[in-house]
Amino acid sequence: RKEVEQDPGPFNVPEGATVAFNCTYSNSASQSFFWYRQDCRKEPKLLMSVYSSGNEDGRFTAQLNRASQYISLLIRDSKLSDSATYLCVVNTGNQFYFGTGTSLTVIP
Amino acid sequence: NAGVTQTPKFQVLKTGQSMTLQCAQDMNHNSMYWYRQDPGMGLRLIYYSASEGTTDKGEVPNGYNVSRLNKREFSLRLESAAPSQTSVYFCASNLVREENIQYFGAGTRLSVL
Repeated sequence: RKEVEQDPGPFNVPEGATVAFNCTYSNSASQSFFWYRQDCRKEPKLLMSVYSSGNEDGRFTAQLNRASQYISLLIRDSKLSDSATYLCVVNTGNQFYFGTGTSLTVIP
Repeated sequence: NAGVTQTPKFQVLKTGQSMTLQCAQDMNHNSMYWYRQDPGMGLRLIYYSASEGTTDKGEVPNGYNVSRLNKREFSLRLESAAPSQTSVYFCASNLVREENIQYFGAGTRLSVL
């Protein structure tokens, strides 16, 4: 079983739409959780950390459910510049485990 | 502040050739990592170094060796390159504390013919 699983998409949404990505992880001992953004042929960059209490950064909201081992990312009022691949990342011990990424294209 | 610097950015090798990918970070991070990224596979850990002087295998270590030269530098060596090692390689580092965020280099695009 993979450490981290996420729907690869692709998600094609119009500008202004709300889109949600989901991710599940297998190890209940995992300690830290993140969403990274990766643009085509670029390195992954941190979008936001994810906390059990939920956290929001502008149009982005992340949520962690430890009981269900589930992480989510909500993007409101999508912009063209949000088009990218979104990676779910889980830290367990010394290692980080990456989902395969969810591709988002925001259409004018 | 340069962050994580990888060299080279691109490389083409012939099967059987050797090369070393270099990585350096200037953030005083204690942990460093090498990943490869292939289409549809996500990032897979090759080797990591939790601290200066230590290295450990990740998910896909076969065909690779690493050296944690000092706290700043972590190199990845391909002794005899194979076409299956064609990939994009990313180096990352993090400071192990509560936030524990990884920072990535720009990547090395390697083709083995």
